[in-house]
Parts: sequence; structure tokens; C-alpha cells
Amino acid sequence: DTAVSQTPKYLVTQMGNDKSIKCEQNLGHDTMYWYKQDSKKFLKIMFSYNNKELIINETVPNRFSPKSPDKAHLNLHINSLELGDSAVYFCASRPTGEPYNEQFFGPGTRLTVL
Amino acid sequence: AQKVTQAQTEISVVEKEDVTLDCVYETRDTTYYLFWYKQPPSGELVFLIRRNSFDEQNEISGRYSWNFQKSTSSFNFTITASQVVDSAVYFCALGVDAGKSTFGDGTTLTVKP
Repeated sequence: DTAVSQTPKYLVTQMGNDKSIKCEQNLGHDTMYWYKQDSKKFLKIMFSYNNKELIINETVPNRFSPKSPDKAHLNLHINSLELGDSAVYFCASRPTGEPYNEQFFGPGTRLTVL
Repeated sequence: AQKVTQAQTEISVVEKEDVTLDCVYETRDTTYYLFWYKQPPSGELVFLIRRNSFDEQNEISGRYSWNFQKSTSSFNFTITASQVVDSAVYFCALGVDAGKSTFGDGTTLTVKP
């Protein structure tokens, strides 16, 4: 019973293509996130949704568009892929409210842009 | 704005040595939460501990211990008698009510046999 799942696990594509990464959590959490981890292992938040509403939108190129069809899903669509988009993308979720709970992370999607 | 600094980029120790990973944070919020996560070579991110800003009690869990000091805005993590399986990237993170978690840049710990 995977708590936070991501598909695909690996994604290799050409520059200029459009691709999507899907994320689903079965924990009943209200808040979901997308993070980008670069080759130096730096982990940077990209987006956060709470109950399908966008609450955090960091400085991310508008080629990246998150979509939350329901509370359990947060997908990431990337247009016109560039070499610099190569990274591992992590989805995470957490229950909202006090205390501020830890995040549960998906296994990551390794995106390679050629 | 929130900030988390993990000044040690890489640490290398020999098995059975004790090692401390430093974490310094900045926030203007009076209520906040601090976390440590572990990322082993397999790549998944694993939650280790959460601490809130009102609880400065140190915590010990097996070989792991955490020292939270508000006076120095630090939340350091010590591994006693390190083992090869402790080799990983360790992230310190700060969470506030706005829902945003800020992660440090991580410390890569290598434990050699």
C-alpha cells in the first residue's frame, strides 16, 4: 500500500517536448507539494496545493503547470522541456493543521532531458 | 522569510565514530517546526524527527539524538557510533503556518567501514 506514488519513475525525453508526471496519495492529506532536486541534491519547493487550491508558487518558469483534479492528486505538466529541467522531482503530502506535520514523500521521478 | 543553513556540505567518518550534523535556521514566526529527513543512496526521503518551537527538550532515539537550542537557532543532529548504513544525505527543514517548508541544502554523510 504505497502512501505517495508517482508515475513514471524514470522519464527520458528530448528537448522541446511536453511531459507530465502524476502523483497520488492515499493518506487523506489536504496539502500536496512538488519539489525539484537538482544534481547537487538541493531540494527546492516548486508548488503547494491545499484542498485543490494553489497556495505556494515559487519562482518557477511558467512552462511548469501543476494541476490538482482532486485532493488526492497533484500532477505536474512541463511544456517545452529544456536541458536544465533534468532533475529528480518529488511529490509530497502532509495533513494540514496543528501541529505542523511532517511531509510524506513519493519515490521521485528522475527526468532526463536530452 | 525563512532560511535553513546546513554549513557542512559533506562529512566523512569511519564507522563507530560519533558525528554531528549542524542546522541553523532563521524565521520571524514564533510558532514553527523543525524537521530532519534522511535520503539514503536509494533516493527516497525519510522523515526522522519533528520538533516544535515551544519544546526545547532534546530527544534521543537509539543512536540518534537531536539538540534544539532556540538561543542559537540551532537544531543539530548527532549520530552515535555511526554505521555504514547511516551514509545518506540529511536534510534539516523548517515549517511555518503558511504551509511552506524550507529545506537546507543537505549534508552528505559518508561512513566508511
